Amino acid sequence: EDKVVQSPLSLVVHEGDTVTLNCSYEVTNFRSLLWYKQEKKAPTFLFMLTSSGIEKKSGRLSSILDKKELFSILNITATQTGDSAVYLCAVEDTSRPLMNRDDKIIFGKGTRLHILP
Amino acid sequence: GAGVSQTPSNKVTEKGKYVELRCDPISGHTALYWYRQSLGQGPEFLIYFQGTGAADDSGLPNDRFFAVRPEGSVSTLKIQRTERGDSAVYLCASSPSPGLPPYNEQFFGPGTRLTVL
Repeated sequence: EDKVVQSPLSLVVHEGDTVTLNCSYEVTNFRSLLWYKQEKKAPTFLFMLTSSGIEKKSGRLSSILDKKELFSILNITATQTGDSAVYLCAVEDTSRPLMNRDDKIIFGKGTRLHILP
Repeated sequence: GAGVSQTPSNKVTEKGKYVELRCDPISGHTALYWYRQSLGQGPEFLIYFQGTGAADDSGLPNDRFFAVRPEGSVSTLKIQRTERGDSAVYLCASSPSPGLPPYNEQFFGPGTRLTVL
């Protein structure tokens, strides 16, 4: 069964700390791994990773994928209270890769990050 | 610009009633996804449309759930004989044509919070 597992489930740190969020996965036909930030209802897209070892970076956030060990990490440096949110990891599973259709996105349960001022 | 919109934002109904949830995707997006998110969980895939057709409905929990997208734009998620366990936030997302970059970046709507009493 396809699954995406995130750890820790929740994390509380002080402003200025650096955090690392983990995501491991098992899917039949991997195409990409996605990170989202969810503050209220709608998740907002952060990164999409398809290749191992290539770091994606946006400001204080960065992420990297290891396709051999089947995991990804999301790093946030110099955290701010506005970083408080649930961070979701999702994996795209293509059941019919040759036809490039029927893509299914499988989400983890998320990591709830709370930044204390 | 206009993003994904969902109506209503909140819906309270009684057990056994029928409900319809509407999603307006971003104009021109051919792919549309429905997810269900329960408290403390990541979004759970329900159904995926490519144009007017349901390319993958394997996530629909049972035959009380049905979704349509008759003109390839607006979609309606229909739930018959609602049960208390159906209470959740129902998220809709759209993305551009598959096979084109950014591959499968999904843009989420604000969700509909369904409460079944």
